[in-house]
Amino acid sequence: DSGVTQTPKHLITATGQRVTLRCSPRSGDLSVYWYQQSLDQGLQFLIQYYNGEERAKGNILERFSAQQFPDLHSELNLSSLELGDSALYFCASSVATDMNTEAFFGQGTRLTVV
Amino acid sequence: GNSVTQMEGPVTLSEEAFLTINCTYTATGYPSLFWYVQYPGEGLQLLLKATKADDKGSNKGFEATYRKETTSFHLEKGSVQVSDSAVYFCALRDLNRDDKIIFGKGTRLHILP
Repeated sequence: DSGVTQTPKHLITATGQRVTLRCSPRSGDLSVYWYQQSLDQGLQFLIQYYNGEERAKGNILERFSAQQFPDLHSELNLSSLELGDSALYFCASSVATDMNTEAFFGQGTRLTVV
Repeated sequence: GNSVTQMEGPVTLSEEAFLTINCTYTATGYPSLFWYVQYPGEGLQLLLKATKADDKGSNKGFEATYRKETTSFHLEKGSVQVSDSAVYFCALRDLNRDDKIIFGKGTRLHILP
């Protein structure tokens, strides 16, 4: 158990809908990362938050947004869903000020858009 | 920008064979390097890491050495087992740039009994 909790584990929704994925980082970790894993694209970095502030942005679509709350949990919002958004979405957390420490990953949320 | 390139899979080996998965990186600073493993249906787990040049990370029989001169971090294991079948990701982290953790595309490994 990595200590990072993601909910829900599975999500099936229709095109055009909006969903929210939730992540609770490890206790004490201030930094949260979101990644999208699809079969043909590998692990794509979406966005990173540190202590409530956006710190780095990757290949995140405008239809997607995220935030980190005062209790450090994070949510990833995906709207106007398309079939191509079907993927595994991972959250990871880390101690941001020490680059020698690894990120710890949750089990992921598998999103299926039908 | 920073990037990681690893050998494409799938890689299929027989049990007890020697494994090498190549990984090279591009970075403007002095990153830390990681290998993660993803077993079927699970999230990524750290396998090993190295934080400076010439460091060797090791775990569960796997090893990788941080080679600054060749910008490489190849993963090796002397004798693989069926239970090593998984997807392996090479990654780097560089706080001097923007703290993104950059992953390679992953290499799927199949070990045959």
